[in-house]
Order: sequence, then structure tokens, then C-alpha cells
Amino acid sequence: EAGVTQFPSHSVIEKGQTVTLRCDPISGHDNLYWYRRVMGKEIKFLLHFVKESKQDESGMPNNRFLAERTGGTYSTLKVQPAELEDSGVYFCASSQEGFPTDTQYFGPGTRLTVL
Amino acid sequence: AQSVTQPDIHITVSEGASLELRCNYSYGATPYLFWYVQSPGQGLQLLLKYFSGDTLVQGIKGFEAEFKRSQSSFNLRKPSVHWSDAAEYFCAVGPLGAGNNRKLIWGLGTSLAVNP
Repeated sequence: EAGVTQFPSHSVIEKGQTVTLRCDPISGHDNLYWYRRVMGKEIKFLLHFVKESKQDESGMPNNRFLAERTGGTYSTLKVQPAELEDSGVYFCASSQEGFPTDTQYFGPGTRLTVL
Repeated sequence: AQSVTQPDIHITVSEGASLELRCNYSYGATPYLFWYVQSPGQGLQLLLKYFSGDTLVQGIKGFEAEFKRSQSSFNLRKPSVHWSDAAEYFCAVGPLGAGNNRKLIWGLGTSLAVNP
């Protein structure tokens, strides 16, 4: 069974540019999560999809971040325009729906550097 | 406020030595608890998890963790460390039970170096 995949693995952009990160969850997982780790800080939750619906987006930093999950399969996270403080590693995770205590499986992350 | 503390940012041990990584949490309800590991160039891999029952949990790669409610701790242990265990280790907590709130709260991580 394929795990969670993320693309690209690295992205270097300049301040003000746009970047789109992609996450493909494990097949059959209805839950999809985005997290971010800024250097020197803890991993922080960004948002949670159940199928194509945003269940919880309380962690999204501001309106420069837009997450979508059309069709309930893969998800994209767009940052527009990017700022220096957006640099970090963006992790995606997925889990099955219906478990009382779901386990989140993580992708390798996308390292974003904003210059 | 909900939080996870991993007091040790960096630990160095010798190969073959025992290891204990500390994790303390502050959580309003009974949490479920995880340890993840991130090896260089890899994603976050689940080592073990605690939901209920036996407070000593066995995981992959020879790791175990013990949940101590009275101390709000979930320390990770391994009796004999291998060079391949060098990685960053993360403790995380989440809400027990179904519902809308599924997000995990994370510690800062502990970076483990293993001397030959």
C-alpha cells in the first residue's frame, strides 16, 4: 500500500511569489491534515479535511494560505503571496474515517524556502 | 492550555546504551499519545501509540513507552540503541474519541545522536 506522498520535496521561491504544494493521501483515507514546522518551533496544525470538506481550519495563519481538496482525493495548499515567515516544512497526513481514535500517517514533507 | 513538553532538545548516547526520551503533556481530558520519528531525509514515521489499556506500549524498532497518568508523562525507551536510531523524535497528543477536533499537538522534538 502506497503511503502519503507530497510534491515537491523542496521549493525555493522569492518573497511575493506563489507556491502550490500537493498531497496525495493513502487511498481510502477520508481524513487529510496539513501541518507546518517552522525552524526551531514545534509542528503546528494547519487544517483538517474530511473528504472534500474543511472540518477545521483553525490553524491556517492568514488568508494568504488556501487549501483545497477537490473530489476528496488529493489536496493542494497554495501560498499567495509568499512571505519570509512562511518558510518551513509542510507535512501532510491522512487517516481513516470511522475510528474512534484515528492514527495519522505522514508524508515526507515539503521544505519551503522563501527568499 | 494544551501543550507537550520534550525537555531534551538534543541527546547523545553511545551505541548499545539504553535510551529514555522524556515527554510531558498538559491536556484537559484523557489524551491519546504518540511517538513519531523522523530520520534524515524521511517523513514522520509512527513508532507507537497509546489509547487505553496497558500503560506500557510496545512499538516498532524495539521501542516502548510508558504512560503515567499521575505524572502526565509518556516517556520513550529503548534498552540498546543502534546507530540507525539517530533521528529526531516527536511526542504528540490528540483528543480521545471521535469528533471534529482531530488535530495533534506536538512537542519540539528531541534530536538523538548515536556515537559508535
